[in-house]
Amino acid sequence: EDQVTQSPEALRLQEGESSSLNCSYTVSGLRGLFWYRQDPGKGPEFLFTLYSAGEEKEKERLKATLTKKESFLHITAPKPEDSATYLCAVPNNAGNMLTFGGGTRLMVKP
Amino acid sequence: DAGVIQSPRHEVTEMGQEVTLRCKPISGHNSLFWYRQTMMRGLELLIYFNNNVPIDDSGMPEDRFSAKMPNASFSTLKIQPSEPRDSAVYFCASSKGTSGRGELFFGEGSRLTVL
Repeated sequence: EDQVTQSPEALRLQEGESSSLNCSYTVSGLRGLFWYRQDPGKGPEFLFTLYSAGEEKEKERLKATLTKKESFLHITAPKPEDSATYLCAVPNNAGNMLTFGGGTRLMVKP
Repeated sequence: DAGVIQSPRHEVTEMGQEVTLRCKPISGHNSLFWYRQTMMRGLELLIYFNNNVPIDDSGMPEDRFSAKMPNASFSTLKIQPSEPRDSAVYFCASSKGTSGRGELFFGEGSRLTVL
């Protein structure tokens, strides 16, 4: 059974304090890894797709990287508006359904 | 595009009552997913439709839960009878093709409280 584990569960940062979120996965064959952002009271919003080890994607202050066993979401010089829950997900063997991790709740204080 | 539209946004009901949640996916998307989110279990997939046909309902908790998709622009998730442990936020999501591409578009959710 596919497993996706995210750490830490919660992370408090000061504005400008860079850090990384971790997503480790156990799948029979990786068919991609996806990052989403979820704001309170909203549905998750797609951020990135990574398909192979070594791949990187960037968007503003966020950079996602992928290895054979885990993915990192690096946040450089975060701002309060980056506060949200960040979720990672992997597709099943058929590639038609996503399993989500438990998420990391990021809080950036000014 | 208006995005995925869910209703109601909030529902408070008593144990034993029937609950119906509704979803309108994005036009042109042929895959639809119902997820449930709780603090304890996170985001769980309940059922997946492709071209209006249920493909995988292995995540549906029990027979009290049922879902339909009568056409490409409408889906319902029904709970009958409801129980307090069904309290959660229920999300509907849609995508073009399968979710293997990763880009699901989620609605804003329906927060269900069963007393």
